[in-house]
Amino acid sequence: DIQMTQSPASLSASLGETVTIECRASEDIYNGLAWYQQKPGKSPQLLIYNANSLHTGVPSRFSGSGSGTQYSLKINSLQSEDVASYFCQQYYDYPYTFGAGTKLELK
Amino acid sequence: QVQLKETGPDLVQLTQTLSITCTVSGFSLTTYNVHWVRQPPGKGLEWMGAMWNGGGTDYNSAFKSRLSISRDTSKSQVFLKMNSLQTDDTAKYFCARGAYGSYDYWGQGVMVTVSS
Repeated sequence: DIQMTQSPASLSASLGETVTIECRASEDIYNGLAWYQQKPGKSPQLLIYNANSLHTGVPSRFSGSGSGTQYSLKINSLQSEDVASYFCQQYYDYPYTFGAGTKLELK
Repeated sequence: QVQLKETGPDLVQLTQTLSITCTVSGFSLTTYNVHWVRQPPGKGLEWMGAMWNGGGTDYNSAFKSRLSISRDTSKSQVFLKMNSLQTDDTAKYFCARGAYGSYDYWGQGVMVTVSS
């Protein structure tokens, strides 16, 4: 199985700050990577697919980048509504696997 | 609009069988795939398996032969059935629409507790 190592596990940032979350795959996943946002008690919401494509309706302050085994999610100008957990997911190979998540809080 | 909704029990007894139904609307099961993902309380997400638009299935080998996914296209429903439940199967179970690998729509999930 492809292991997804996500960092950091938790993150505290101020409003307006830029935040970066990383995901490292145990092998090349050829941009088969998505990022999701999950708020408490809710289902995950797709933010980014194919490593760098913004899902419909997602604010442009979210962006994804990376290739090979290293990927990142950047949130520019952090807003209060961005407080949530974030997960990466690889869909290059079965079984699809997720990172352990990053909990983003306001400082 | 696109919607998915899971229905199933809140509580299942140890070693018994879990059955959850995902009812979809706004799209066809013969056009899109539906996947099952679960999330234990306070933990991360785990892919369980998929029902492909052509009717085939794929399963996470972590569930060995415990898991079965089927569908009824006439009712726009996908079914998850998992037997021999243990306490570590306590989780929220989601169905989600597959969009080229990622999941663009999710159900609200059903929280299932396995009780001894």
